[in-house]
Amino acid sequence: NAGVTQTPKFQVLKTGQSMTLQCAQDMNHEYMSWYRQDPGMGLRLIHYSVGAGITDQGEVPNGYNVSRSTTEDFPLRLLSAAPSQTSVYFCASRSPTGHGAEAFFGQGTRLTVV
Amino acid sequence: GDSVTQMEGPVTLSEEACLTINCTYTATGYPSLFWYVQYPGEGLQLLLKATKADDKGSNKGFEATYRKETTSFHLEKGSVQVSDSAVYFCALLNTGTASKLTFGTGTRLQVTL
Repeated sequence: NAGVTQTPKFQVLKTGQSMTLQCAQDMNHEYMSWYRQDPGMGLRLIHYSVGAGITDQGEVPNGYNVSRSTTEDFPLRLLSAAPSQTSVYFCASRSPTGHGAEAFFGQGTRLTVV
Repeated sequence: GDSVTQMEGPVTLSEEACLTINCTYTATGYPSLFWYVQYPGEGLQLLLKATKADDKGSNKGFEATYRKETTSFHLEKGSVQVSDSAVYFCALLNTGTASKLTFGTGTRLQVTL
């Protein structure tokens, strides 16, 4: 059971380039989310999805797009990378059942925009 | 909106010392509360949780009690080990926004021999 898998682990982009961060989970979880982690700011929610075909914005959505065509996959697209998007990105998934259901996280993607 | 406030780190302790990391929250309704831990180079993993007032979560010698009267969920351990060195995040999940976890800023713990 792989859990939540993120690729790539590391990426360097030039300003203005686009890319897609991949996230896949094999636990049949309906809820999936993308966070960015920056020093002194904890984890901030970028976008989230409560099921296939349903997505919504989080706290810091600008410059990012998401789609959810299947339960398993939730890719995050950077449209035109900026240095301010240098961060560590985490994907998480969770079952909606149960008020205290645990969120499972991928190992993260460390992105540097130069 | 919902928010979580954690004590700032880093916290540096000697092995076998007592640990307390403070966490307070602001939320409407009856949130569930969590502590997540992030070891170097890894993603977050659940350490413990509590889903209602006065519940105590515990795991690996860590404990936290859900105190509604003080809106707190402080993390404690009686005797820390070098292997506990990590970043600890307090988080809440509210019934009104059930799909979204709200995290604190994280507290880095360094345990030395």
